[in-house]
Amino acid sequence: GAGVSQSPSNKVTEKGKDVELRCDPISGHTALYWYRQSLGQGLEFLIYFQGNSAPDKSGLPSDRFSAERTGGSVSTLTIQRTQQEDSAVYLCASSLVPRRASSTNEQFFGPGTRLTVL
Amino acid sequence: GQNIDQPTEMTATEGAIVQINCTYQTSGFNGLFWYQQHAGEAPTFLSYNVLDGLEEKGRFSSFLSRSKGYSYLLLKELQMKDSASYLCAVRDYPHNQGGKLIFGQGTELSVKP
Repeated sequence: GAGVSQSPSNKVTEKGKDVELRCDPISGHTALYWYRQSLGQGLEFLIYFQGNSAPDKSGLPSDRFSAERTGGSVSTLTIQRTQQEDSAVYLCASSLVPRRASSTNEQFFGPGTRLTVL
Repeated sequence: GQNIDQPTEMTATEGAIVQINCTYQTSGFNGLFWYQQHAGEAPTFLSYNVLDGLEEKGRFSSFLSRSKGYSYLLLKELQMKDSASYLCAVRDYPHNQGGKLIFGQGTELSVKP
């Protein structure tokens, strides 16, 4: 079946420009996550959407970052006025919402978007 | 604060056994995950522990001790294709809220012939 897809796979932009990254989660997954993986660093949580609940934006590094999820499916991560330190791989993941603590409900990751800010 | 520690690099020989350790100090704990990530690819799920003890799945096993804030991933009969980064992650939220993952920096495993 179809997994999580992300587009574009690579994005090169100039400092100061805005970029939009797209994520299509697995059909039926109500939870959607964005993470960032910088060179030599672990995955860093950015934002989390669950159904119609207010998103958890606690991981967004600055107000230049925003994300939305339309119709409970596709999500877009927007970075305004990009800086060189924004260069990283941006990973999207989706999952079911666990009914019990013993439920695995692992997150399935997309291939990522490699963002390079010149 | 949130802190997850794992070794940066490990090297092992094809056919051998390797143990990758992970220690964590997090404000919440709702399960620990291990993911495998080959270079340039997405992380893929390997194992999940929420109760103390050992979970075995083929050549891979994972152990958890909640009182010690400690987990390990055990890989047996190593193959060259096991060369990858292994990510330890703690689920922070209560399970019924989905749960963001807090990741360690990953352990880069190199399997030598």
